[in-house]
Amino acid sequence: KAGVTQTPRYLIKTRGQQVTLSCSPISGHRSVSWYQQTPGQGLQFLFEYFSETQRNKGNFPGRFSGRQFSNSRSEMNVSTLELGDSALYLCASSLTGGSQETQYFGPGTRLLVL
Amino acid sequence: AQSVTQLGSHVSVSEGALVLLRCNYSSSVPPYLFWYVQYPNQGLQLLLKYTSAATLVKGINGFEAEFKKSETSFHLTKPSAHMSDAAEYFCASQRDSSYKLIFGSGTRLLVRP
Repeated sequence: KAGVTQTPRYLIKTRGQQVTLSCSPISGHRSVSWYQQTPGQGLQFLFEYFSETQRNKGNFPGRFSGRQFSNSRSEMNVSTLELGDSALYLCASSLTGGSQETQYFGPGTRLLVL
Repeated sequence: AQSVTQLGSHVSVSEGALVLLRCNYSSSVPPYLFWYVQYPNQGLQLLLKYTSAATLVKGINGFEAEFKKSETSFHLTKPSAHMSDAAEYFCASQRDSSYKLIFGSGTRLLVRP
């Protein structure tokens, strides 16, 4: 079974631009979550989607948004990019998003904001 | 508030030596606990998880961890380190009422030949 895939793997943007990242979950998984990884703040939860609805949200500004499609694929959007948004963005999927379920992570998209 | 503390941002061991990576959680109710490993330029891979079924949890690649409620700890061990174990390791917790994982700051394991 194919794992979680994320595209693109690397991205360079400039301040003020916006960016869209894509995540395809493991086949059959309906929950997709997003995490931001930076050297300073570590791994932080952004949000989780299930059946096209955002169920959980972390403590990030409104510039960070996401959506999920009927095939469970998810996109994350960051508007008005800031230098501090440079990070590795990880997507994870699980069957239903229940607690105790293993979250399977993709390889991440590394975003550099100049 | 729920939190996870990993003692030691870097741990160095010789090949064949015992690996011990420390993790303490802070929660009034014992959470679910996970250990993930991250190799360079890759995502996170689950090593093992504790979900209250058994206090000693065995994972992949010879790793295991023991949940100790009295010490609020979930340390990761491996009897004999291999060069391929060099990576960054993250401990994470999850509440029963919440889906999100709370991660520790990570421990980078170096294995000396």
